[in-house]
Amino acid sequence: SQQGEEDPQALSIQEGENATMNCSYKTSINNLQWYRQNSGRGLVHLILIRSNEREKHSGRLRVTLDTSKKSSSLLITASRAADTASYFCAPAGSYIPTFGRGTSLIVHP
Amino acid sequence: NAGVTQTPKFQVLKTGQSMTLQCAQDMNHNSMYWYRQDPGMGLRLIYYSASEGTTDKGEVPNGYNVSRLNKREFSLRLESAAPSQTSVYFCASSDPNLGVHNTGELFFGEGSRLTVL
Repeated sequence: SQQGEEDPQALSIQEGENATMNCSYKTSINNLQWYRQNSGRGLVHLILIRSNEREKHSGRLRVTLDTSKKSSSLLITASRAADTASYFCAPAGSYIPTFGRGTSLIVHP
Repeated sequence: NAGVTQTPKFQVLKTGQSMTLQCAQDMNHNSMYWYRQDPGMGLRLIYYSASEGTTDKGEVPNGYNVSRLNKREFSLRLESAAPSQTSVYFCASSDPNLGVHNTGELFFGEGSRLTVL
């Protein structure tokens, strides 16, 4: 299975702080995607990093990928209350992207 | 663009009843998927359709059937609902340009919340 495992399961921070969540996986991948899910809503794609990339930025998001360690991290800088959501990584190779249990992020105003 | 549309949004069934969840996408995607999400379990793939006319089992297919009616629509049917099928169901579709076992981003619907009593 290429299912990613996110860590920590829950993260609580103050507005303005940075939030870092990690993802580990077990098999080779072509890319790894991160998604956000607001409460009661569907998942929304945030960013995709390919296996030959080590770091990627999108606005306040920074994603890193270490294929030798089979791990990725998502950093949200200067968090806002609106960033409160669950975040999922989805490793993808020759298989359908699969999702772990996610990291539940709460950003306190 | 509506993206991925699921109906119904909410449904309550009694054990043994049947129902069909409908999903339609307007992005001309080849691939479509059905996931279920349960507390503490993440999203688990039920069935997927790589292209019109094909369907394949995912991680948890038992108790479900699917139909890829055309390129736009992918329905999920519960023939005899059980309390264990109480869940939130998500339909998703993906970019047609990246092949059958695609690595493109998934576009999700807003979910269908099913309760089986």
